[in-house]
Amino acid sequence: QVQLQESGPGLVKPSETLSLICTVSGASISNYYWSWIRQSPGKGLEWIGHMSYSGRSNYNPSLKSRVTISTDTSRNQFSLKLSSVTAADTAVYYCAKAALAGLMYFDCWGQGTLVTVSS
Amino acid sequence: DIVMTQSPDSLAVSLGERATVNCKSSQSVLDSSNKKNYLAWYQQKLGQPPKLLMYWASIRESGVPDRFSGSGSGTDFTLTITSLQAEDVAVYYCQQYYTTLYTFGQGTRLEIK
Repeated sequence: QVQLQESGPGLVKPSETLSLICTVSGASISNYYWSWIRQSPGKGLEWIGHMSYSGRSNYNPSLKSRVTISTDTSRNQFSLKLSSVTAADTAVYYCAKAALAGLMYFDCWGQGTLVTVSS
Repeated sequence: DIVMTQSPDSLAVSLGERATVNCKSSQSVLDSSNKKNYLAWYQQKLGQPPKLLMYWASIRESGVPDRFSGSGSGTDFTLTITSLQAEDVAVYYCQQYYTTLYTFGQGTRLEIK
């Protein structure tokens, strides 16, 4: 059974970098595609980006200039960095697994972590 | 971007009755080469992450009760719950995975009347 767990600071100051880690169990990070998705009251569910098992990344164009997703195969983790955050980046952040390589519907989600951007 | 628009925003249905959620995409998500619709449905209960219900518009994910069904093609899709149960109270989302910018509908809140 695949499980995902997000971790990271719940409070980030404006203009700083949001950093989250997703720890995967029950599946190898070297398989599948791994995504970050966020949910805020104002914008609903928003796909941020993904990293593939081959190391290819794809980002939402609206966030591309500020986002980096990377994997750590030794720890079976993947991470999200979002720079220059503002209050608009306040959201629940989910990590998720795509069901099949290249088919980006999400069959496993982490519980989510609330990140608040505030000074 | 493909914009996904759901209707209604909320609905209240009596226990045991049918609930219908609609999803419309701003462009077709049907791949004519394989005749598949790149459309998924999710259920999100309060305080939980979304849960995959359907993919390819009409294929139930393993473990999803058969009172859930999906239909539609091209730009218009429907999620139907026959015989609504109390545990079906949730927000339902559609999502397209046809383009490399994956987008979700705004959600439909389903309550018991």
